[in-house]
Amino acid sequence: DADVTQTPRNRITKTGKRIMLECSQTKGHDRMYWYRQDPGLGLRLIYYSFDVKDINKGEISDGYSVSRQAQAKFSLSLESAIPNQTALYFCATGRDTQYFGPGTRLTVL
Amino acid sequence: AQTVTQSQPEMSVQEAETVTLSCTYDTSESNYYLFWYKQPPSRQMILVIRQEAYKQQNATENRFSVNFQKAAKSFSLKISDSQLGDTAMYFCAFMKLYNDMRFGAGTRLTVKP
Repeated sequence: DADVTQTPRNRITKTGKRIMLECSQTKGHDRMYWYRQDPGLGLRLIYYSFDVKDINKGEISDGYSVSRQAQAKFSLSLESAIPNQTALYFCATGRDTQYFGPGTRLTVL
Repeated sequence: AQTVTQSQPEMSVQEAETVTLSCTYDTSESNYYLFWYKQPPSRQMILVIRQEAYKQQNATENRFSVNFQKAAKSFSLKISDSQLGDTAMYFCAFMKLYNDMRFGAGTRLTVKP
């Protein structure tokens, strides 16, 4: 089984809808991250969490929120999706190396 | 803020030959980590190699090696004996100790038969 899983793998939604992307890890790490990938821009940090009670904004947090339900689970929400949030979203975990999930491709129409 | 620059948007190499991908970064930190990740068409981010800044010896993983020049803030990836399966996007990344990563924009590598 994969160490870092993301659900769903693909999602198409409409403008204004609320969307939740979920991430689970079995590596036992305390630190978890959400990144967004756009063509030509690499990956950019949305939010990160160093433990269950610690949530921090990243470079591009506007329009997003997160929830750390347990050490192994970290969810990303788009409260009201807009088309420019169409992107590939990655969850990652780790301390001195980051291990990535398979990604969620989100399309907002 | 740390920035990572990959100046080669696209590169190609013949199968079995050697190719070098460039990466430079900007930081005032003295301790940090540098990484190369591979992203094939499956879109999975795969760790290729990792370098700790306090180690002078260049990291090596099978056909992959780096040239880490700390003073010049340069971190290039050399792929020897290129294989068709090496075709992918390659991202250079910087991480302060136990912190988030900053990525370059990527280099698209094509290995030609």
